Amino acid sequence: AQKVTQAQTEISVVEKEDVTLDCVYETRDTTYYLFWYKQPPSGELVFLIRRNSFDEQNEISGRYSWNFQKSTSSFNFTITASQVVDSAVYFCALSEVYGGATNKLIFGTGTLLAVQP
Amino acid sequence: DGGITQSPKYLFRKEGQNVTLSCEQNLNHDAMYWYRQDPGQGLRLIYYSQIVNDFQKGDIAEGYSVSREKKESFPLTVTSAQKNPTAFYLCASSPFDVSNQPQHFGDGTRLSIL
Repeated sequence: AQKVTQAQTEISVVEKEDVTLDCVYETRDTTYYLFWYKQPPSGELVFLIRRNSFDEQNEISGRYSWNFQKSTSSFNFTITASQVVDSAVYFCALSEVYGGATNKLIFGTGTLLAVQP
Repeated sequence: DGGITQSPKYLFRKEGQNVTLSCEQNLNHDAMYWYRQDPGQGLRLIYYSQIVNDFQKGDIAEGYSVSREKKESFPLTVTSAQKNPTAFYLCASSPFDVSNQPQHFGDGTRLSIL
């Protein structure tokens, strides 16, 4: 069965600290996509990154970086020098490609990040 | 601006009543989705539609119904058969292709029981 696990329910850090959000996934497919979304208090989900299963290069975008390791089925997200505006719930999600095109997402339970000033 | 509009933002349902949540998108996306979010949980897929006049059940479709008569619109009806409807409902859309483009989300509708 396909599954996404975000073991950290809540994380609290002080501004300017680095923080890593963990994501572990399970799938039997060889072709799949992984996503991270941010949900601020306003409620909408904001797309952060998409990575396909054949691209294991790490990615950096400003203060955000992602570490994809197929060997451990993990897709971790690091925020460097955190800011109060980073406070949100962060979701990791898995999308499989089977029987043609499909965009169904399987979400983890989310990690609530609180950045204190 | 292109995006997804959900309405209303807050909705209250009486016992035995059906209520309909609206979702409209102007992104020209083929696929649309409805998710339910409960406190401390991830999003669970209720229904999805990959093309007009076609839709499929997600993981928790019981007590819900949808229609897809227009590409831009994918309304969700929460029927009286849904015994625990209090939740945050999110609508999303995406292109429909093999590259699994990211889904774009609306601002959500918070449904409560009166």
